[in-house]
Amino acid sequence: GQQLNQSPQSMFIQEGEDVSMNCTSSSIFNTWLWYKQDPGEGPVLLIALYKAGELTSNGRLTAQFGITRKDSFLNISASIPSDVGIYFCAGQSFDMRFGAGTRLTVKP
Amino acid sequence: KAGVTQTPRYLIKTRGQQVTLSCSPISGHRSVSWYQQTPGQGLQFLFEYFSETQRNKGNFPGRFSGRQFSNSRSEMNVSTLELGDSALYLCASSLRTSGDTGELFFGEGSRLTVL
Repeated sequence: GQQLNQSPQSMFIQEGEDVSMNCTSSSIFNTWLWYKQDPGEGPVLLIALYKAGELTSNGRLTAQFGITRKDSFLNISASIPSDVGIYFCAGQSFDMRFGAGTRLTVKP
Repeated sequence: KAGVTQTPRYLIKTRGQQVTLSCSPISGHRSVSWYQQTPGQGLQFLFEYFSETQRNKGNFPGRFSGRQFSNSRSEMNVSTLELGDSALYLCASSLRTSGDTGELFFGEGSRLTVL
């Protein structure tokens, strides 16, 4: 099945900086989700979005469901070292498709 | 509330062997999905089970199969293992019912190495 286009592939930032990543698709999705995966672990759900245009926050994380239902973005404000990991977007209609991930490195 | 539990966490097999992986979903979750994760291909959907029936299937060969039991626990089997089957196999459960979307909750995965 078609995967999502997630960018950037990797980011190297300084602690305290803000981060932005996004996903796009040629398909429409009913739900967009953002996951974080630490090494050796399964992905953990960060934010779920259910309506086009919806903007949702979870602490320092903010995500939006694109108005066309074909894209979503995730912002992390004031990054800290424990933000390190791989972030995945996922779009769901009948099944769930994932982006390739954004590998985030935070330098203290 | 216990999360999704996968066993075994790590295993090593040789080419040609077969392997069975197990997944216990979160209590009350009836939908179980399986994914293969590799560095090159990312997360690839294998199949989804709901009420003991395979509801959806990804683009994998017939060597990959699964089943779900009446208690919603699920197993996946890979026969005639190939080197390229080395991957992290992730199970996810959700409250999703027919036609609805639902958030996936993942287990920690079973890391399979094929030698």
